[in-house]
Amino acid sequence: DADVTQTPRNRITKTGKRIMLECSQTKGHDRMYWYRQDPGLGLRLIYYSFDVKDINKGEISDGYSVSRQAQAKFSLSLESAIPNQTALYFCATSPKSTDTQYFGPGTRLTVL
Amino acid sequence: DQQVKQNSPSLSVQEGRISILNCDYTNSMFDYFLWYKKYPAEGPTFLISISSIKDKNEDGRFTVFLNKSAKHLSLHIVPSQPGDSAVYFCAASGSYGGSQGNLIFGKGTKLSVKP
Repeated sequence: DADVTQTPRNRITKTGKRIMLECSQTKGHDRMYWYRQDPGLGLRLIYYSFDVKDINKGEISDGYSVSRQAQAKFSLSLESAIPNQTALYFCATSPKSTDTQYFGPGTRLTVL
Repeated sequence: DQQVKQNSPSLSVQEGRISILNCDYTNSMFDYFLWYKKYPAEGPTFLISISSIKDKNEDGRFTVFLNKSAKHLSLHIVPSQPGDSAVYFCAASGSYGGSQGNLIFGKGTKLSVKP
C-alpha cells in the first residue's frame, strides 16, 4: 500500500464550486505539505503543517485553505474554484529529523 | 526571483553514457540539497541528497556534486538507462527564519535516454 495517498486522483469542476482534496499518510510523519505544479513552473508550496496545531501559509496560499484533521490527514480546499487553479496538486510528508519530503501520487484538477 | 534554477529544460543522452543535470542556487543560507525524479502521472520520488558539509554523495549510479563557492550542484547518472527518462527536480532547504524544513524547487529538467 502507498504511504501517501491522495483523493481524488482526477477532478473536473466548474468555476465557483467548492472543492476539497484529501491527503492521508501512514508514514507517521509530523510534517505535511501541499504543492501545486504548473507546466514549466516546478512545484510551488501552498500550505504546510509541522504538527496538528501548526498551519502555515506557503508561497501561493491565496484562494486556498487547509485543515489538519489528524497527524495522518491534511486536506486542501478551494472555496470558490477558478480556472487558473487548474493544475496538478501534490501532498508531501516529512519527519522532523530531516527535510526530505515524500510525495503522494497527485491530483489532477481541472476548473472549467 | 528564482532561488533555485535549472537552466536546461531538457537533456537527451544515449543509453550507457553519462547524464549530467545542473542546478544553481542564489541563497547562501541553503544547507541541504535534494534531487527528485518524476514520471508522468506520478508524484516526485526522492532520489539523492547532500548536506552542505559535503561536496559529493554517491548512491549506486547516481552521484551528486556540490560546489558551494559557485552555488552549483549537479547530478551525474552513470550509466544512463532508458528507465531514467523522467523530469528531474533540484530542491534546496535551509534552517533560516521561518522557512525551516521547506523545500524550494527548481523548474525541472526533462531527461530523455535513447536506446
